[in-house]
Amino acid sequence: TQLLEQSPQFLSIQEGENLTVYCNSSSVFSSLQWYRQEPGEGPVLLVTVVTGGEVKKLKRLTFQFGDARKDSSLHITAAQPGDTGLYLCAGEDYKLSFGAGTTVTVRA
Amino acid sequence: GAGVSQSPSNKVTEKGKDVELRCDPISGHTALYWYRQSLGQGLEFLIYFQGNSAPDKSGLPSDRFSAERTGGSVSTLTIQRTQQEDSAVYLCASSSTGRQGISTRETQYFGPGTRLLVL
Repeated sequence: TQLLEQSPQFLSIQEGENLTVYCNSSSVFSSLQWYRQEPGEGPVLLVTVVTGGEVKKLKRLTFQFGDARKDSSLHITAAQPGDTGLYLCAGEDYKLSFGAGTTVTVRA
Repeated sequence: GAGVSQSPSNKVTEKGKDVELRCDPISGHTALYWYRQSLGQGLEFLIYFQGNSAPDKSGLPSDRFSAERTGGSVSTLTIQRTQQEDSAVYLCASSSTGRQGISTRETQYFGPGTRLLVL
């Protein structure tokens, strides 16, 4: 049973379009992390959000932590082929609990 | 600088055989984690080592799984009597201290993983 549910499972868009990935849970986490994983590699940390309602921006990526610290979203503006990858969210209690991920494909 | 390395990168074995997977953490990192990533699943926590403390083995799925960390550095994950459902990518990560707090979140650095296929 996944503590964290990610949606959608797959997302394929054209270069230049926007996309949003969601991460939802019934549990409250002390923090939530987003990772991107490319084929044949381990996940790489993108951002950590800690405070309910927090919004963090990383270039074209915007991360939001829900007010109740149970959910989060990742929004990519004007997606590029280099954004292609598996996006994972992970909630932290005393260890990380990962969602199953969203596979994002950005077509040139 | 050198990141987390894992070996072998791929391993194919027959059901019932034992396998050993190796992880070399980033030099100086005292915390080391093992995860399992199955197809369509998120990363599943297996075990956590922090310095000389007793490891947190709460994620190990069965007694066929064990792990050691020698000298506070290299770690070996051993799976005995492998089963087909053990097929997955096994990922190792390390962090500076493993201490976690509200404002000081330790970044875990992941290795590339070992892809295990049990036939």
